[in-house]
Amino acid sequence: DAKTTQPNSMESNEEEPVHLPCNHSTISGTDYIHWYRQLPSQGPEYVIHGLTSNVNNRMASLAIAEDRKSSTLILHRATLRDAAVYYCILRVGSSNTGKLIFGQGTTLQVKP
Amino acid sequence: DSGVTQTPKHLITATGQRVTLRCSPRSGDLSVYWYQQSLDQGLQFLIQYYNGEERAKGNILERFSAQQFPDLHSELNLSSLELGDSALYFCASSVSIAEYTGELFFGEGSRLTVL
Repeated sequence: DAKTTQPNSMESNEEEPVHLPCNHSTISGTDYIHWYRQLPSQGPEYVIHGLTSNVNNRMASLAIAEDRKSSTLILHRATLRDAAVYYCILRVGSSNTGKLIFGQGTTLQVKP
Repeated sequence: DSGVTQTPKHLITATGQRVTLRCSPRSGDLSVYWYQQSLDQGLQFLIQYYNGEERAKGNILERFSAQQFPDLHSELNLSSLELGDSALYFCASSVSIAEYTGELFFGEGSRLTVL
C-alpha cells in the first residue's frame, strides 16, 4: 500500500477554516484518496474521498493536486466538535478488498 | 450511530484466557473488517470477511481467529491472551466490494483489558 505523510498535529481557532495537508508522492493512477477522522473515545468515521477531481460534501472539501502527489482536507469553519485525529489513506482502486490501512494521522486541536 | 454494533463494550480478563468479541454489521452490509487500536501501534488492520469468506488478512496473530456467520455477524476470538493484547478492537462494515462507495462504517469498539 502506498504511503501517506501527514503532520503529527495542527491547531486551529474555532469558526476559522482548517487546511489539513497530506503527501502521497508514490500514489498510483488507480489509488483513491480517503479521509477519516476519529473523535475521542469513538470509532473512525468517514469524511470524504476522491480520485482526481476536487470533492465537496456536507462535512468537508477535498482538494487534490494536479499531479495527485498531495491533497488537502478543508474544514470550512472549524468547531470544537472537529477536534479529532484525521487520517489520510490511499486505497488501491483495483483491489478486491475494501480494507483501509491507517497511518498515524494528524491530531487537530480546535481552540475556542 | 453508525449502525454497526459491537459487544461487549468493555471486557477485563486475565492472561492466558480466551475471549470472543462480536460484531453485527449494518443491515445489508456484506463485508466486515476487524481492527486493533493500541496506544503504541495505532489502528492496525487485522482481517476482513466478505459474505462469509475471508477476503484479506493483515497483521493478525495466530492466537487470534475470526469468522463471519450466515447471518453476516462476525466474531473475533482471542486466545492465550497476553498483556500486550490490551487494546480497543473495532469492527467496521461496508456494503460490498464491487459497489464500493468509499465508506467503512465503524462500531464504537470493544475495549479489552488483560491483567
